[in-house]
Amino acid sequence: EAGVTQFPSHSVIEKGQTVTLRCDPISGHDNLYWYRRVMGKEIKFLLHFVKESKQDESGMPNNRFLAERTGGTYSTLKVQPAELEDSGVYFCASSQDPGQGFVAYEQYFGPGTRLTVT
Amino acid sequence: AQSVTQPDIHITVSEGASLELRCNYSYGATPYLFWYVQSPGQGLQLLLKYFSGDTLVQGIKGFEAEFKRSQSSFNLRKPSVHWSDAAEYFCAVCVVTTDSWGKFQFGAGTQVVVTP
Repeated sequence: EAGVTQFPSHSVIEKGQTVTLRCDPISGHDNLYWYRRVMGKEIKFLLHFVKESKQDESGMPNNRFLAERTGGTYSTLKVQPAELEDSGVYFCASSQDPGQGFVAYEQYFGPGTRLTVT
Repeated sequence: AQSVTQPDIHITVSEGASLELRCNYSYGATPYLFWYVQSPGQGLQLLLKYFSGDTLVQGIKGFEAEFKRSQSSFNLRKPSVHWSDAAEYFCAVCVVTTDSWGKFQFGAGTQVVVTP
């Protein structure tokens, strides 16, 4: 089966511009997560979708970040306007429904999108 | 609050030597623990996980980890390192909410360099 895919793999934009990152989870996975790693720091949780609903967005840094998951399939993460401190690697992950037991807590990660804001 | 500590930011090991990466966690409930590896240019790959039961877990690529509740540790080991093991390794604890959803708290990562 196909894994989690993310697009683009790299993005370089100028401060003040807008960027949209896309994530396609593993087919059938209701849970979709976004994480971010700023250079030199740990990978941090941003938010969690269950199907099309935001279950937990406690990690979103500010209102310049907007995540959507229309139809409960792929998700987008838009940064508008981008700031220098938004640079980092954005990871997407997906997992099965909690009703599946422990396996639901296994998260499968995509390759990440490296965002550079200049 | 929950946290994961990987004390070693960088480790250099000779090919064929053994490797141990340390991970300590702070979590109020039964921890669900994971090790991921990120090779250059690649995404995060799951090496192994611990939910319950046998405290010594086997993973892919010849890795194993041991859960020690008394020490709040989940150290990763490999008896003989190969050059392809050069990568960054992340320990994570799954924080489970009252609604049974989970999200990961990661350590800062340990960069492993393998020398000939």
